[in-house]
Amino acid sequence: DAGVIQSPRHEVTEMGQEVTLRCKPISGHNSLFWYRQTMMRGLELLIYFNNNVPIDDSGMPEDRFSAKMPNASFSTLKIQPSEPRDSAVYFCASSLGISNTEAFFGQGTRLTVV
Amino acid sequence: GNSVTQMEGPVTLSEEAFLTINCTYTATGYPSLFWYVQYPGEGLQLLLKATKADDKGSNKGFEATYRKETTSFHLEKGSVQVSDSAVYFCALSLRDSSYKLIFGSGTRLLVRP
Repeated sequence: DAGVIQSPRHEVTEMGQEVTLRCKPISGHNSLFWYRQTMMRGLELLIYFNNNVPIDDSGMPEDRFSAKMPNASFSTLKIQPSEPRDSAVYFCASSLGISNTEAFFGQGTRLTVV
Repeated sequence: GNSVTQMEGPVTLSEEAFLTINCTYTATGYPSLFWYVQYPGEGLQLLLKATKADDKGSNKGFEATYRKETTSFHLEKGSVQVSDSAVYFCALSLRDSSYKLIFGSGTRLLVRP
């Protein structure tokens, strides 16, 4: 398996534009997580899914953020409208959904909002 | 609540020095514990894990022992290399239906030649 695949790797956009980040989890994994990493706040869990169903979105910072998982092999994180303070590295991770097993991370999407 | 506390960085060491990065946790229930490593420009990779008290996780010369009595999972390595320079994250996973990972703030390690 190629691991967790995220796209794009880098995104530069203007304030107010819509941004969509994409993630393909490892085949057979039941849980998917979206994290945001910044220097100020470190690694924050935004939302996670179990079997394509959102379980906890309490980490989503504002209504401008939304996430979907239409099937077991694809998830999106959308920011609309984007703001400069959304600039961060966004990671997607997947796991088997069992507490003893680790999560596997993608390489991240570096988002810059100017 | 559930949380992980790591020592603040950066930690700067000379090559072949002994490394300790402290990690303590607070959890309702009986978590599994992990150390992840993040190299520059990359995502997080699992370094080692332990799933029950007194378990020792080890990988690439790194070790950490699950200490329930002190709620700790300190990372150690006997002789660090320049290539170990990275950010290290301690994390826990709860044994409930959530399976989510809760991370510490990360500790940057810089190893000088």
